[in-house]
Amino acid sequence: AQTVTQSQPEMSVQEAETVTLSCTYDTSENNYYLFWYKQPPSRQMILVIRQEAYKQQNATENRFSVNFQKAAKSFSLKISDSQLGDTAMYFCAFSRMNRDDKIIFGKGTRLHILP
Amino acid sequence: SAVISQKPSRDICQRGTSLTIQCQVDSQVTMMFWYRQQPGQSLTLIATANQGSEATYESGFVIDKFPISRPNLTFSTLTVSNMSPEDSSIYLCSTRQSEGETQYFGPGTRLLVL
Repeated sequence: AQTVTQSQPEMSVQEAETVTLSCTYDTSENNYYLFWYKQPPSRQMILVIRQEAYKQQNATENRFSVNFQKAAKSFSLKISDSQLGDTAMYFCAFSRMNRDDKIIFGKGTRLHILP
Repeated sequence: SAVISQKPSRDICQRGTSLTIQCQVDSQVTMMFWYRQQPGQSLTLIATANQGSEATYESGFVIDKFPISRPNLTFSTLTVSNMSPEDSSIYLCSTRQSEGETQYFGPGTRLLVL
């Protein structure tokens, strides 16, 4: 069975700083997807970034980038130049690459950006 | 990306009653999913609902408690039956256009059972 582990329940950083959220996962699959979702206080789940396991290049989306280490089964999220609007719960998630690929979520990291 | 709406956005219900949550998507999607997010917790998949077939429930969830309808490719409902305070959660609908596509989420329905 697949599992996703986020070891940091809560983090706080000053505005404009860079912060890295950790995520590890366990799977016997070779091809899969990894995601970071953001859930602000509005509770809307928003996709931040997505990585296909077969791609060696780390995904980036503006201020958000990942460090994907397939052999280590690690998938960390880096937020550069953090903004107050980045305050949210961040979930790391895993999905197998087939028709029945439901998403498995980690427990989340609550991130506070301090003014 | 698909735009997903849910009704109601929140509700307060009495123990023993049932609530039906609606999920509407602005485009046709193959797969729809229902998740539960208990207070301070992560998301747990309740069931997968594909049009034209019975919903597939995850371990710990049963059809009698969480009946689901999927009458067409843009709409689904989840009913929380015979509610108890333990059912107080956020219920989220999500969709994926096809295998390999990103899954998008609705805004959620916040349910409080007294």
